[in-house]
Amino acid sequence: DIVMTQSPDSLAVSLGERATINCKSSQSAFYSSKNKNFLSWYQQKPGQPPKLLIYWASTRESGVPDRFSGSGSGTDFTLTISSLQAEDVAVYYCQQYYGTPPALTFGGGTRVEIK
Amino acid sequence: EDQLVQSGGGLVQPGGSLRLSCVASGFPLSDYSMNWVRQAPGKGLEWVSHIISSSRTIFYANSVKGRFTVSRDNAKNSLYLQMDSLRVEDTAVYYCARDGRRGYDFDHWGQGTQVTVSS
Repeated sequence: DIVMTQSPDSLAVSLGERATINCKSSQSAFYSSKNKNFLSWYQQKPGQPPKLLIYWASTRESGVPDRFSGSGSGTDFTLTISSLQAEDVAVYYCQQYYGTPPALTFGGGTRVEIK
Repeated sequence: EDQLVQSGGGLVQPGGSLRLSCVASGFPLSDYSMNWVRQAPGKGLEWVSHIISSSRTIFYANSVKGRFTVSRDNAKNSLYLQMDSLRVEDTAVYYCARDGRRGYDFDHWGQGTQVTVSS
């Protein structure tokens, strides 16, 4: 089974400062036939369903503020919030698909709080 | 606005059954593959099932294979999850989620419905 490991489990960042979340997969998310990494990032606020932020590792979903950015390739990925806002307090998850039939796996989540 | 509205769920004893529903509005369900994702209390997200628009291809997580059945009725813009032989560990909030058509990402989510399996 594919394993996705996020780090840290939680972090506290001052308003306006940068937050960085890492996601490491046991299998590559890169598909050479598509020349894309099939790695997505989601934000989940308390009592709400998750919200898609980033797909293809670095493409922002429509309407997502540009302070959110994704990077990485293969098995190592990063979500960066360039200037943390109060409304960014949430749990963030990475997610990948791998194989046929596909295994759709989420990371364990990273909780972001205000310092 | 594209929306997914869920119903069903509740409290059931171990070994029992429940059926969840998810109705799409603002877009034709027939244009999209769909998924079910669950979240146990205080835990992370776990993908449960995927069904393509024609229902010809369906995938399940190993944890529910043989016990859960996903189906859809595109004419009713509806997605279903039949859950049989329920276990305590199936207790979770269940979400329906639309496939973003970019490689198994989930671009719209239902509000979630609570399923509690307990004696």
